Amino acid sequence: DIVMTQSPDSLAVSLGERATINCKSSQSVLYSSNNKNYLAWYQQKPGQPPKLLIYWSSIRESGVPDRFSGSGSGTDFTLTISSLQAEDVAVYYCQQHYSTPRTFGGGTKVEIK
Amino acid sequence: EVQLVESGGGLVQPGGSLRLSCAASGFTFSTYEMNWVRQAPGEGLEWISYISSSGNIIYYADSVKGRFTISRDNAKKSLYLQMSSLRAEDTAVYYCAGSLGAFNIWGQGTMVTVSS
Repeated sequence: DIVMTQSPDSLAVSLGERATINCKSSQSVLYSSNNKNYLAWYQQKPGQPPKLLIYWSSIRESGVPDRFSGSGSGTDFTLTISSLQAEDVAVYYCQQHYSTPRTFGGGTKVEIK
Repeated sequence: EVQLVESGGGLVQPGGSLRLSCAASGFTFSTYEMNWVRQAPGEGLEWISYISSSGNIIYYADSVKGRFTISRDNAKKSLYLQMSSLRAEDTAVYYCAGSLGAFNIWGQGTMVTVSS
């Protein structure tokens, strides 16, 4: 199984400041035949289901604000919120869909400082 | 509107069974791979099962293998999860999620509580 490790577990950032979340996979999730990283990021607000933010490690889902960006390749990935807004308070999860089981990271809780 | 609506959750005794359903609307259900993901109270997300768009490829997490069965009916635009031999540790919100790779579409979830 591919283990997904997120850091930090929680993060407090001032409004308008940058938030950075890291995700490391125990094996590469880069599929060589198409050069795509099978890595997604989700946002989950309290009492709501998760919402897809980023897929293929760096492609924003339709409707996602451009302050959210994803980067990385192979085993190391980053989700960046360039200017934190109040509505971004949530738990963020990375997930690999390179192989089964489709494992998630443990989540990073983002709060306002 | 693109939508997935789960139903069938509730309180069940240890060792009991439950069948969850997930009704799809607003998108071409038959072209999507489908998954069940659960979230225990206060915990993170756990993927538990996958079924291909045609239903011929199925995977399970080790934690539910042999106890849970995933199925789908493309004509009815519905996904199912038959759960048996339920344990206290199966207590969670169960989400169905449609995927084209990443999990693009999520339902609101249905709560399953396993307790005597």
